[in-house]
Amino acid sequence: SQKIEQNSEALNIQEGKTATLTCNYTNYSPAYLQWYRQDPGRGPVFLLLIRENEKEKRKERLKVTFDTTLKQSLFHITASQPADSATYLCALSSSGANNLFFGTGTRLTVIP
Amino acid sequence: DADVTQTPRNRITKTGKRIMLECSQTKGHDRMYWYRQDPGLGLRLIYYSFDVKDINKGEISDGYSVSRQAQAKFSLSLESAIPNQTALYFCATSGPKGGDTEAFFGQGTRLTVV
Repeated sequence: SQKIEQNSEALNIQEGKTATLTCNYTNYSPAYLQWYRQDPGRGPVFLLLIRENEKEKRKERLKVTFDTTLKQSLFHITASQPADSATYLCALSSSGANNLFFGTGTRLTVIP
Repeated sequence: DADVTQTPRNRITKTGKRIMLECSQTKGHDRMYWYRQDPGLGLRLIYYSFDVKDINKGEISDGYSVSRQAQAKFSLSLESAIPNQTALYFCATSGPKGGDTEAFFGQGTRLTVV
């Protein structure tokens, strides 16, 4: 069955630095990869979607890459702020699939 | 108002009791989902529905049932709750493009079975 791993359970970085989160997958060929933000006690909120034929997507301070050869996505937050502290989830879906498969998430803490 | 509303937000119930979690959405989407979230396991799909007459099991449907009362309403039932069903439950909805479109999640229901 498919396996989705996010690089670490927790990541601490200094304010102003770039945070880089990793999502690796095996036994799967996703057509779409999504990133969500989840705050404690709240539901996930969609951030970005990238398709298998796209190498990179940007939105404001966020950047996502998708390497189908390495079976990996990188999620970058530039000029990080304490307000960026949250858990970030990656989610994969194949073409024609009925649902998203989620990773376990990385809890990011941005230290002032 | 939130696009996806779940009730209740918190619930404590006893083993063996029947409990229903409710979800309503104002997005006008046909697709609705129920997930549970456990520490270290991520979000796992319980059931999903693509319209009122279409109900499908997800990866962990045992012990659960669902009802799609209308396009906007999708409820999850635990027929006889057990302690390992203690978890955070999320309802979600998405447009017709499946994985090629964002999902909208409710605020979650924290269920504790004692």
